[in-house]
Amino acid sequence: SAVISQKPSRDICQRGTSLTIQCQVDSQVTMMFWYRQQPGQSLTLIATANQGSEATYESGFVIDKFPISRPNLTFSTLTVSNMSPEDSSIYLCSVRRGQGNIQYFGAGTRLSVL
Amino acid sequence: DAKTTQPPSMDCAEGRAANLPCNHSTISGNEYVYWYRQIHSQGPQYIIHGLKNNETNEMASLIITEDRKSSTLILPHATLRDTAVYYCIADRDSSYKLIFGSGTRLLVRP
Repeated sequence: SAVISQKPSRDICQRGTSLTIQCQVDSQVTMMFWYRQQPGQSLTLIATANQGSEATYESGFVIDKFPISRPNLTFSTLTVSNMSPEDSSIYLCSVRRGQGNIQYFGAGTRLSVL
Repeated sequence: DAKTTQPPSMDCAEGRAANLPCNHSTISGNEYVYWYRQIHSQGPQYIIHGLKNNETNEMASLIITEDRKSSTLILPHATLRDTAVYYCIADRDSSYKLIFGSGTRLLVRP
């Protein structure tokens, strides 16, 4: 298994501001993934973060809005920039590893934008 | 990745078996069937996965049809804590990202 810690667990923010979410994994992993889950919806992959290179963004997500850092093999951050109420979601950090390439998730960051 | 189809919702009585179906008729030979669940307000949790043989672990059993076009996740004795959204995903074990569908919302009734 993998232990993934996310901070903050929740936050309430004003529109126009930015929030940085941190993700710490208990061991080194090559790739880290960031997902968004809008209210009542399934998970949508935002981007894949590799250490030492630019993140790879999925269709509909751009670096200016969701900049990602990956300074080492156990840590990543996702910033939600210039927030609007439509950004109110749960943001989840995830890694794949181990036999069977199983995916593990953090508990998520519940963001509300007013 | 192959598309999967699941019923949007199901319910079962506490203590009874919960059988969750998944259709993956376009699955390719090197794609596994993965099951995850998400209990309210938590991150998704891995349950089980398989390629073509039936699998069982401490959480559930996975039955895959011989033609691999469908599968069933079985929770043998459902409890109230099994109420969650269950996701069936067809994916290569060498894949580097997991794509989620809409899942099945299982309600376990007292």
